[in-house]
Amino acid sequence: DGGITQSPKYLFRKEGQNVTLSCEQNLNHDAMYWYRQDPGQGLRLIYYSQIVNDFQKGDIAEGYSVSREKKESFPLTVTSAQKNPTAFYLCASSIKGEYAFFGQGTRLTVV
Amino acid sequence: GQNIDQPTEMTATEGAIVQINCTYQTSGFNGLFWYQQHAGEAPTFLSYNVLDGLEEKGRFSSFLSRSKGYSYLLLKELQMKDSASYLCAVSSGGSYIPTFGRGTSLIVHP
Repeated sequence: DGGITQSPKYLFRKEGQNVTLSCEQNLNHDAMYWYRQDPGQGLRLIYYSQIVNDFQKGDIAEGYSVSREKKESFPLTVTSAQKNPTAFYLCASSIKGEYAFFGQGTRLTVV
Repeated sequence: GQNIDQPTEMTATEGAIVQINCTYQTSGFNGLFWYQQHAGEAPTFLSYNVLDGLEEKGRFSSFLSRSKGYSYLLLKELQMKDSASYLCAVSSGGSYIPTFGRGTSLIVHP
């Protein structure tokens, strides 16, 4: 079955540590996105990519980095520069202009 | 930029009908999406409106007026499992990137 998979489901990060969240899709979608969701908030766009080897900053890109070396994969690194990283991170993919499929999310907590 | 407004919270009774409104301001409008999100889970797609009018899909319907920058999601025959957050998202510009509102938390009680 086609879908989009995020891992891990839960992640704990120590202060000053970089962590990488995985996102893989087998839907053959060109576009992929990373959103952050805080309690009681909507989804805020971190980065997006519409083609392999190209990506663009979203509204809250500071402290994050991404890569798009393969069509299927769009990993997100939360760097130590992100001062408030505790949140629910959602990866999504779509055909351009159509609705997005979401992964099950990664809940990141700073300890 | 874009501005998307939805009510923060709504309550309704099982079996009733509820309408969740969404207003937006944007340039280069492409379309409007509605998603459902249960607590701690990923959003799931409900509907997509590109042209003005009503789109019906079972118990759920969505309406769009592009001239008014207005949409609503109508849920009929409410069930307890409909208790969730409902997210309005607007796609605009050449990139077609969806921008989300803060979501409306719907509580269905017996």
